[in-house]
Amino acid sequence: DIQMTQSPSTLSASVGDRVTITCRASESINRWLAWYQQRAGKVPKLLIYKASSLQSGVPSRFSGSGSGTEFTLTISSLQPDDSATYYCQQYYTYPWTFGQGTKVEIK
Amino acid sequence: EVQLVESGGGLVQPGGSLRLSCAASGFTFSSYAMNWVRQAPGKGLEWVSSIDESGEIRTYADSVRGRFTVSRDNSKNTLYVQLNSLRAEDTAIYYCVKQYVDLWGQGTLVTVSS
Repeated sequence: DIQMTQSPSTLSASVGDRVTITCRASESINRWLAWYQQRAGKVPKLLIYKASSLQSGVPSRFSGSGSGTEFTLTISSLQPDDSATYYCQQYYTYPWTFGQGTKVEIK
Repeated sequence: EVQLVESGGGLVQPGGSLRLSCAASGFTFSSYAMNWVRQAPGKGLEWVSSIDESGEIRTYADSVRGRFTVSRDNSKNTLYVQLNSLRAEDTAIYYCVKQYVDLWGQGTLVTVSS
């Protein structure tokens, strides 16, 4: 199985800060990488697909980059509404696998 | 409206069975593979099973293989998963997810407890 490792596990930042979350795959997944935002008690919300494509309706402050085994999710200017847990996921091959999550807190 | 709507969750005793359904609308259901993903309370996301467009190719996570069976009825635009021999560790919200991950249902809660 392909292992997905996210870092950091938690981060605390101020409104307006630039925030970066990293996701590493144990082997190449080309660009078959998705990023989700999950607020407490809610359904995971797709932010980014194919590593860098912004899902319709998602604010442009969210962006994704990378290919192969190294990927990043960037929030260019953190907003209070961005407090949530973020997951990466590879859908290159089965079993689909997810990162362990990054909890983003607002200072 | 493009959506997936799960149903069938509930409280079941260990060793019991349950069948979950996922009704699709707003897209050509028969053109896409479908998946089940679950999330235990306070935990991360775990892929459970997939089924291809025709229903012929089915794959399972090691944790559920031999106990869960995924199926689909393209004439009814509905995805199913039969959950047998349920264990406490199967307690989770179960989501159906469209191929290419661009559509998730709202989830249905399965609680396995005596």
